[in-house]
Amino acid sequence: GEDVEQSLFLSVREGDSSVINCTYTDSSSTYLYWYKQEPGAGLQLLTYIFSNMDMKQDQRLTVLLNKKDKHLSLRIADTQTGDSAIYFCAESIRGSQGNLIFGKGTKLSVKP
Amino acid sequence: DAGVTQSPTHLIKTRGQQVTLRCSPKSGHDTVSWYQQALGQGPQFIFQYYEEEERQRGNFPDRFSGHQFPNYSSELNVNALLLGDSALYLCASSTGNEQYFGPGTRLTVT
Repeated sequence: GEDVEQSLFLSVREGDSSVINCTYTDSSSTYLYWYKQEPGAGLQLLTYIFSNMDMKQDQRLTVLLNKKDKHLSLRIADTQTGDSAIYFCAESIRGSQGNLIFGKGTKLSVKP
Repeated sequence: DAGVTQSPTHLIKTRGQQVTLRCSPKSGHDTVSWYQQALGQGPQFIFQYYEEEERQRGNFPDRFSGHQFPNYSSELNVNALLLGDSALYLCASSTGNEQYFGPGTRLTVT
């Protein structure tokens, strides 16, 4: 079945790197996404990776994909207090035409 | 360029009532998806509309229905509201692989 799991909390110091991890179960995933949600707001698309890629870098964000272990991570370099939010991992299943399966989210707290 | 917009922002309804939520997609997007996000949870897919047809549906009862108009905007209707329908309802628009979300409608059922 389809399932996406994330650790619920992560706390880092301002200026450090943050690494948020995610595991998924469906090997037919085509795209894997990272979204950010601030309190009381909708979801902001941060980045996504196609399942035949290992890594994608976009400014302070680095996504790593280990397809064998079905493990996805998001690294945020030089984490700032403005990065404090809930981060969701999501997968799109081949043939699902855009139905995204989300994890429960990781709450990132950045301490000054 | 306006992003995805949703209305209303907040809504309070009573059990058994019916509600209609509205979504305008990002310019150039032809596909609209609806998600329900309960407190402390990730969004759950309700259904997706493309070319005015429901293209795919998640595990939600028939009380949840929708519509897409020729201008690609969409409505989500929920009948016979239950307390458990209280949630943030998110609309996402897309053309291709990127789904962009609106700010959501917070529905409270009392």
